[in-house]
Amino acid sequence: AQKVTQAQTEISVVEKEDVTLDCVYETRDTTYYLFWYKQPPSGELVFLIRRNSFDEQNEISGRYSWNFQKSTSSFNFTITASQVVDSAVYFCALSTTGTYKYIFGTGTRLKVLA
Amino acid sequence: EPEVTQTPSHQVTQMGQEVILRCVPISNHLYFYWYRQILGQKVEFLVSFYNNEISEKSEIFDDQFSVERPDGSNFTLKIRSTKLEDSAMYFCASGASGKAYNEQFFGPGTRLTVL
Repeated sequence: AQKVTQAQTEISVVEKEDVTLDCVYETRDTTYYLFWYKQPPSGELVFLIRRNSFDEQNEISGRYSWNFQKSTSSFNFTITASQVVDSAVYFCALSTTGTYKYIFGTGTRLKVLA
Repeated sequence: EPEVTQTPSHQVTQMGQEVILRCVPISNHLYFYWYRQILGQKVEFLVSFYNNEISEKSEIFDDQFSVERPDGSNFTLKIRSTKLEDSAMYFCASGASGKAYNEQFFGPGTRLTVL
């Protein structure tokens, strides 16, 4: 069975702190894709990153970075020097080749305090 | 940049009424999807649609739900007789590829409130 677990329900940090959001996934497929989405209070899903199972290179995009580790089935997301505008719910998702659906985690609500 | 659009942004309806949520996918996409997010919960897959038929559906997608591509541009989700528990954000998505690559582009969502 495929599953995505985001154990952190809510995280609060003070502006400029670094924060890491955890994502653990389960799948027996060898080919799969992992995603992170941001959902601001306005409700839309903002795409952040897509990573395939064959590419374990970590990625950095500005203040955002992602750490993909197949050995621990984790795809963690770090925000460096957090800002108030980063406050949102962040979802990790999984897609495997055997199905059309994206499987989302339960999300982590990040609150960045000024 | 092309994007998926959804109308209306917010729909309020009475329990038992039929609602149709509309989506305009990205123009050259062939795969279409609906997802649901009950307030404060995770996003859940409802259905995928390709070549004018349902290709996959979840257990949530029961006989009260139907999808249609009535013309070359729109993709609709119909709920025949709404229940209070249908209150949720509904996201449409579209993609150019199928399962193997499966990149989906999400619309901004329609918030459905059933009273």
